[in-house]
Amino acid sequence: EVRLVESGGGLVKPGGSLRLSCAASGFTFINYNMNWVRQAPGKGLEWVSTITSSGRYIYYADSVRGRFSISRDKAKNSLYLQMSSLRVEDTAVYYCTRQDITGLSWGQGTLVIVSS
Amino acid sequence: SYELTQSPSVSVSPGQTASITCSGDKLGDRYTCWYQQKPGQSPVVVIYQDAKRPSGIPERFSGSNSGNTATLTISGTQAVDEADYYCQAWDNNTAIFGGGTKLTVL
Repeated sequence: EVRLVESGGGLVKPGGSLRLSCAASGFTFINYNMNWVRQAPGKGLEWVSTITSSGRYIYYADSVRGRFSISRDKAKNSLYLQMSSLRVEDTAVYYCTRQDITGLSWGQGTLVIVSS
Repeated sequence: SYELTQSPSVSVSPGQTASITCSGDKLGDRYTCWYQQKPGQSPVVVIYQDAKRPSGIPERFSGSNSGNTATLTISGTQAVDEADYYCQAWDNNTAIFGGGTKLTVL
C-alpha cells in the first residue's frame, strides 16, 4: 500500500522559511516522479513542483519558482520542499503526491500558515 | 499557459446520472484524470487515462475524453458521492488542475 506522510507544516511569518518533508513507503521510491500540490483554504488544487525519479529534472510553478526548492533522498525514501520568502498567499495544505500512469496518490497533507 | 475549466457546481437527485465536464484546448489529445475530494480528506483518483477506474472505485464512475471536453459520469448517484471533483492533465511537465466542481446530491 502506498503511504505518504507529510510533516513540517506550521505557522510562519511573512518572509520566513519552512521545510516540508514527506516519508514514502509501500513502493519503490526511486522509480517514481514525485510532486508537491497545495490547496489554499476553501480553494482548489494547485500544482507546486515535480522532481523526476532520478532527481535529474525539476519543475516549478511560476508562483513559487526562485523561492521554493524540491529535493529527494533515496536513502531515506523521502521528499522535501524547502520554502523561503514565504508570502501570505502561500498559506495552504501541502500534499506530497506520487505520480504514475494511474494518476496521483496523495498523502494526508500538512498545513502551512503564513501570517504576522 | 494551459487551462482547464469546470463548472463550479452540479446538482443531481439520488439515483440519477451526474455529468461533470472539464474543458481545455484539444484536451482529447491528452490523458485526463479525475479526483474526488470529500471535506477534510485528501483527493482520491476515481478515473485515470480518461476512462479507466482504479481498483476499489465503483463501476458507477466512468469517464470519456474527446475534442475539447472530458466528462466524468456518475450513474445511479448516491449520497456518498457528494464531493468536490477535479480534472487534471499534464502540460509540459506541469500538472494542470481544473477549478473543481462541487457535486451536490439532493
